[in-house]
Parts: sequence; structure tokens; C-alpha cells
Amino acid sequence: AQTVTQSQPEMSVQEAETVTLSCTYDTSESDYYLFWYKQPPSRQMILVIRQEAYKQQNATENRFSVNFQKAAKSFSLKISDSQLGDAAMYFCAYRTPGDGSSNTGKLIFGQGTTLQVKP
Amino acid sequence: GAGVSQSPRYKVTKRGQDVALRCDPISGHVSLYWYRQALGQGPEFLTYFNYEAQQDKSGLPNDRFSAERPEGSISTLTIQRTEQRDSAMYRCASSLAGRGREQYFGPGTRLTVT
Repeated sequence: AQTVTQSQPEMSVQEAETVTLSCTYDTSESDYYLFWYKQPPSRQMILVIRQEAYKQQNATENRFSVNFQKAAKSFSLKISDSQLGDAAMYFCAYRTPGDGSSNTGKLIFGQGTTLQVKP
Repeated sequence: GAGVSQSPRYKVTKRGQDVALRCDPISGHVSLYWYRQALGQGPEFLTYFNYEAQQDKSGLPNDRFSAERPEGSISTLTIQRTEQRDSAMYRCASSLAGRGREQYFGPGTRLTVT
């Protein structure tokens, strides 16, 4: 069974600085997707960034980028120029492609990392 | 357009009562997922529908939990004889068919069992 581990329950960063959140996963599959979701105090689930395992290039979305190390099964999120609005709980998630009845594409989440941004 | 909606947003019930939680997915989304999230934890998968077919219910914790999606649109998650340990946020998500499609999450129903 696939598992996702976030070993940092809490992280803190100064406004305008850079922070990296760690995530490791375990799977025997070669075809999968990885995600980072943000959950602010409102408890919405907001997709931050996604990475397809077959793409070697690391995904980037504005101030958010990932370091995807497939062999090491590592998927870290880097937030540059941190802003007060980045304060939230961040979840790393894994899913299979979801292209068949035996491959439903359910998301498997890590335990989350609470990010505090200090002014 | 309208996102995923869930109702009720908050539900307080007494132990032993049955509850029904509703999810209204984005129009045209054939895939529908239910997740449960305890406070301070990541969401955990409960069940998955492809149109009206429940294709994966491996995450349902026990037989008090059931779900249906009879017409391939609105889905209902039912918890019978609720227990305090059922207290959590229940979320649904929907997506289009096809590989790697993004799942759009609803706002969740916060269930409290007293």
C-alpha cells in the first residue's frame, strides 16, 4: 500500500524568506501524481502544485516549486518570498492516475505541516 | 461556475442517531470521492464513485458507513448509529473522467457527535 510521510509537524519562516516543506512517499508504482494542498484556517482544500511522475522537470507555480526526486521518493515544496497569507497547513498527497476501475485515483495524504509566517 | 457543494455544513447529533451527508458535485463530473478528516490530520479516503457505480469502498471504516449515488450526480454518505469517534470533517471531491484529472473539493460537513 502507498504511504505518504510528512516529518515536520510545524515549520516557521520569516516573511519574505524561503522555506522548504518535506515529504516522502512509498509506492511500487511507476505511474502516479504528487500534489501539495494548502488548508488555511477556513479549512478549504486548495491545490498548490502538482507533479506527474513521468515528468523529470520539477513543477513551478509562481512562488511555489517542488524538488521531485523519484528514485529517493521525495517530493519537497519550496515557498519563496513567503507572505503572511501562506500561513496554513500544507498536505502532501499521492494518487494513481485514476484511469480505470482498478485504479481509482484516490488521494493518499500525509499528516500535514503547519506553516507559520512571522512578520 | 458552481463548485462542489455539501450540506449541511455543520451537523451536531447525539450518539446513536443516524446522519446523512449530501454532496452535490460539479456538473459533468463523473468521478466522486468521499474523504474524512480528523482535526489536525490529513484527509483519509472513504469511497469512490464512477457515475453511479461505487467502485471502491475500501476506506469505509465499518458497516455503519454507507454511500450512494443513484443517478450519477448527487451522493449521500450515511452513518448509522453514530459514535463519538465519528466526529470529523467529511469532504467530498469530484473530477472529470480521465487520467490525472484534478479533484475539486467541497467545503466539507463538520460532524460532531455528542
